[in-house]
Amino acid sequence: EVQLVESGGGLVKPGGSLRLSCAASGFTFSSYSMNWVRQAPGKGLEWVSSISSSSSYIYYADSVKGRFTISRDNAKNSLYLQMNSLRAEDTAVYYCARLVVAATSYYFDYWGQGTLVTVSS
Amino acid sequence: QSALTQPPSVSGSPGQSVTISCTGTSSDVGSYNRVSWYQQPPGTAPKLMIYEVSNRPSGVPDRFSGSKSGNTASLTISGLQAEDEADYYCSLYTSSSTWVFGGGTKLTVL
Repeated sequence: EVQLVESGGGLVKPGGSLRLSCAASGFTFSSYSMNWVRQAPGKGLEWVSSISSSSSYIYYADSVKGRFTISRDNAKNSLYLQMNSLRAEDTAVYYCARLVVAATSYYFDYWGQGTLVTVSS
Repeated sequence: QSALTQPPSVSGSPGQSVTISCTGTSSDVGSYNRVSWYQQPPGTAPKLMIYEVSNRPSGVPDRFSGSKSGNTASLTISGLQAEDEADYYCSLYTSSSTWVFGGGTKLTVL
């Protein structure tokens, strides 16, 4: 059974840092691109960042570029998101999601339960 | 990054059909079939319902179907059930290797 379990969320002051983790199990983690998607309270989904299976390709949303860093450790079946210079508008539930890429198909087939990040003084 | 436009809300009675639209541009939705749909009941994580415009993953009821016409993709739910009440999001993989989500549509089953 595919499982994605996020951790590391919490309360942080504006300008602070936080590192999120996503522990994957039930599939060959090193074969899949992974993503972070967030959802501010009462708002819609917002894509944050993507990393390819071997970390060769990394992409960020403009809203986090230069402040967030995505990484992965295939030996530990783990995905990470280092968040620096946090702002109030970064307050959200952060989900990790597995990306399926097949021919012309691109979609997120499994999602974690999410971890809440609150940026407030 | 382009924006995908969805209606804020739709509603229907049990047994009826509803359609949720997702409008982009000729450069994104109109040019590619990289549209997927996600269901998110309150307090839960999103769940994949449709991928590549009209493909249904195993386990998703065939009451859920997807289509596209021009710059608009659509999710149709037929035979509405109370358990279908949720927020629904369309998503598109862009030519810049980034993702964009629609604003979400709240489905109410009356």
